[in-house]
Amino acid sequence: QKEVEQDPGPLSVPEGAIVSLNCTYSNSAFQYFMWYRQYSRKGPELLMYTYSSGNKEDGRFTAQVDKSSKYISLFIRDSQPSDSATYLCAMRSRSQGNLIFGKGTKLSVKP
Amino acid sequence: DTGVSQDPRHKITKRGQNVTFRCDPISEHNRLYWYRQTLGQGPEFLTYFQNEAQLEKSRLLSDRFSAERPKGSFSTLEIQRTEQGDSAMYLCASSETGVGTNEQFFGPGTRLTVL
Repeated sequence: QKEVEQDPGPLSVPEGAIVSLNCTYSNSAFQYFMWYRQYSRKGPELLMYTYSSGNKEDGRFTAQVDKSSKYISLFIRDSQPSDSATYLCAMRSRSQGNLIFGKGTKLSVKP
Repeated sequence: DTGVSQDPRHKITKRGQNVTFRCDPISEHNRLYWYRQTLGQGPEFLTYFQNEAQLEKSRLLSDRFSAERPKGSFSTLEIQRTEQGDSAMYLCASSETGVGTNEQFFGPGTRLTVL
C-alpha cells in the first residue's frame, strides 16, 4: 500500500459544477497537508495548505482534513474551464522535510 | 519574477552522457528540494538542502546522481552516465525553515529525455 492514495481519474465535469477531489493516507504522523495544481508540462502550483484537521477556505477552493479517517479533500465551487489541470495532494510529518505526493487527479471542466 | 527558476527547461541527451541542471530558489528561502516526476505520477523526493548542507537523500538517488548547493543559494543536480529510465521531469522547490512553515514552491521543471 502506498503512503498516499489518490484516484488518477480522469474526472470530467460541466462548467459551474462542484468538484470533489480526495486522497487517503496511511501514515498517522502526517500533519501538514497541501493541494497543488499542475498544468500540462508545468511545475506544481501551491493552492492550499492546511495544518492538522479542519477546514480552510480560499475563494472557490475549500480544503478539508479528517485525520481520524486519514482522508483529505479539496472542493472547487463554480468550476471553470481554466480549472482543468492535474490536482496533486501532498503531505508530510512534523519531522520530515520532503513531501509525499499522490499520483494526481486529472480534471477537465467542459464549457 | 521572484519565483523558483530552473535551467534548462528541456534537455535531450544520448544514453551514457552526463547532464547537469540548475535551480535558483526564491531568494529568502534557505531550504531547497529536488524531486523527479514521471508521466502519470506525482513528484518523488530525491534530496534536500538546508543552506549548503544536504540533509536527506532518497533511496531513488543512485550513485550516478549528485546534488550540490555550494554557497547555500543555487543548486545543481548532475546525472552521470544517463540511462533511458532517467527520462523524467526534474523539479526543484524551495521553502523557508521553521515549524508551521515549509510551504514548498516549485519551479517550472527541467524535462529530460534520454535517447
